[in-house]
Amino acid sequence: AQSVTQLDSQVPVFEEAPVELRCNYSSSVSVYLFWYVQYPNQGLQLLLKYLSGSTLVKGINGFEAEFNKSQTSFHLRKPSVHISDTAEYFCAVSPNTDKLIFGTGTRLQVFP
Amino acid sequence: NAGVTQTPKFQVLKTGQSMTLQCAQDMNHEYMSWYRQDPGMGLRLIHYSVGAGITDQGEVPNGYNVSRSTTEDFPLRLLLAAPSQTSVYFCASSSYTGELFFGEGSRLTVL
Repeated sequence: AQSVTQLDSQVPVFEEAPVELRCNYSSSVSVYLFWYVQYPNQGLQLLLKYLSGSTLVKGINGFEAEFNKSQTSFHLRKPSVHISDTAEYFCAVSPNTDKLIFGTGTRLQVFP
Repeated sequence: NAGVTQTPKFQVLKTGQSMTLQCAQDMNHEYMSWYRQDPGMGLRLIHYSVGAGITDQGEVPNGYNVSRSTTEDFPLRLLLAAPSQTSVYFCASSSYTGELFFGEGSRLTVL
């Protein structure tokens, strides 16, 4: 079975500062990895995904993530955040591309 | 382009009542799923379907039923609602490209 751990439930940061949201997973098989974002009162939308190939994945809105197989991590990064990045971010793992198991989420709060 | 449509957006039930959350997608996706979202617990998979006539259980299936008679529709039924089922429910669909498309959610309160 797969599981996902998001180590930080909340991350406060000032505008234009860099941010890293941490995600670790456990699995006995190869997995696919995802980051989704949820803005208030909305559904989730895909930020980026790792299916195969380059371990550095670039997504929408300037976000990127790096797959590290030895550390079973898939941390999300952005070099300079904006107020509009305030949202909840979910890491997810799946043995295929669709039956996703989500982490508990990290609330990113960007302050002016 | 409607995408994934969920109804109703809000619902209040009394314990023991039954109801159906509707989900429809117009993208011809084979895969559909239902999640519940609770504070501090993220999203948990309730049931999923890989095509019409095929359904399977996710992480937290107890108290919920699903059916998939058409590619477009995937309703979620609560037969005997309980306060523990108070949650926000999300329907999602995919064409196996690695991207789930989510509806806007249905907020259910069971008193």
